[in-house]
Amino acid sequence: DSGVTQTPKHLITATGQRVTLRCSPRSGDLSVYWYQQSLDQGLQFLIQYYNGEERAKGNILERFSAQQFPDLHSELNLSSLELGDSALYFCASSGEKDRGIGNEQFFGPGTRLTVL
Amino acid sequence: AQSVTQPDIHITVSEGASLELRCNYSYGATPYLFWYVQSPGQGLQLLLKYFSGDTLVQGIKGFEAEFKRSQSSFNLRKPSVHWSDAAEYFCAVAAGAGGTSYGKLTFGQGTILTVHP
Repeated sequence: DSGVTQTPKHLITATGQRVTLRCSPRSGDLSVYWYQQSLDQGLQFLIQYYNGEERAKGNILERFSAQQFPDLHSELNLSSLELGDSALYFCASSGEKDRGIGNEQFFGPGTRLTVL
Repeated sequence: AQSVTQPDIHITVSEGASLELRCNYSYGATPYLFWYVQSPGQGLQLLLKYFSGDTLVQGIKGFEAEFKRSQSSFNLRKPSVHWSDAAEYFCAVAAGAGGTSYGKLTFGQGTILTVHP
């Protein structure tokens, strides 16, 4: 158990819908990262938040957004869903030694999203 | 931009045999390198990491990896594989000190390891 929790575990929805994925980082970790794992794209970094502020952005679609709340939990919002958004979405958290550079990221179990 | 290549999509070994999973990275400065393992239906677990210093890094579960700057490689090894090692293995790189992408990890495509009894 990494200490990172994600809900829900599975999510099945239809095209055009909007969903919210939730992540609670390990106690004390200020950084939260979101990754998408799909068969064709592999594991891709989406976005990082540090203590409530966006810190780095990857290949995140405009239909996707995220935020980190004062209690440090994070939510990833996916809207206007398409079939191609079906994937496993991981959240990871890390501490902040050396501004977070190179720190181990602890991964949650993931949320499997299926868009029908 | 940083990138990682894992040339082997699938490797099959017999239990008790030695293992080497290949990883090549591309990054302009000193990279931070990681190996993660993912069991079916599970999240990713860190096996080991390299930041600096000794180029041979020991990890959990009997794994080790060697950083070779001249070859831009960070291959994962295990002297004797156990059936429980069957999983998917990912090599990843993060920007080193001075990088602007902070802790962002760039992953390779993964190598699926099958272990025969």
